[in-house]
Amino acid sequence: KAGVTQTPRYLIKTRGQQVTLSCSPISGHRSVSWYQQTPGQGLQFLFEYFSETQRNKGNFPGRFSGRQFSNSRSEMNVSTLELGDSALYLCASSLDVTGGAGETQYFGPGTRLLVL
Amino acid sequence: SQQGEEDPQALSIQEGENATMNCSYKTSINNLQWYRQNSGRGLVHLILIRSNEREKHSGRLRVTLDTSKKSSSLLITASRAADTASYFCATDGVWAAGNKLTFGGGTRVLVKP
Repeated sequence: KAGVTQTPRYLIKTRGQQVTLSCSPISGHRSVSWYQQTPGQGLQFLFEYFSETQRNKGNFPGRFSGRQFSNSRSEMNVSTLELGDSALYLCASSLDVTGGAGETQYFGPGTRLLVL
Repeated sequence: SQQGEEDPQALSIQEGENATMNCSYKTSINNLQWYRQNSGRGLVHLILIRSNEREKHSGRLRVTLDTSKKSSSLLITASRAADTASYFCATDGVWAAGNKLTFGGGTRVLVKP
């Protein structure tokens, strides 16, 4: 089975632009979560999608948004990019047979975003 | 914000030695998981321990959980150069359904050949 895939792997943008990142979960996985990793703040939860609905949300401004499609693929969007948005964005998927808690999450390789 | 701290922040050992790292968290949890990350790449799941478990083993890994102290430890026995990576603990709290992991700051482990 193919693992979690994320595209693109690397991205360079300038301040004020917007960006869309894509995540394809493992086949059959219904939950997709997004995390931001920076040297200063570490790994922080952005949001989680299940059945095309946002089920959990972290403490990020409204510039960060996401969605999930009927095939469980997910995208996240960051509008009006700031220098501080430079980070590794990780996507994770899980089967979600138990309602989520206690399930292994499988992470993709990440998208490294650099904002200039 | 991060759930807690990991200790030490960095660890350097010789191949064959054991590596121990600790994780503390702040709120009640359902489960605690450990992940490994190589050089800023994706996270690899290592082991999950539930709040009603005290110890768990998987190959060369041993995890303990003390919910009264809100802490966990990960022991890697007979370390290898390939174990060089950052190790993160992650918790999911009792407050909501779904997947929402809160990560510690990580321990960077260097295993010297």
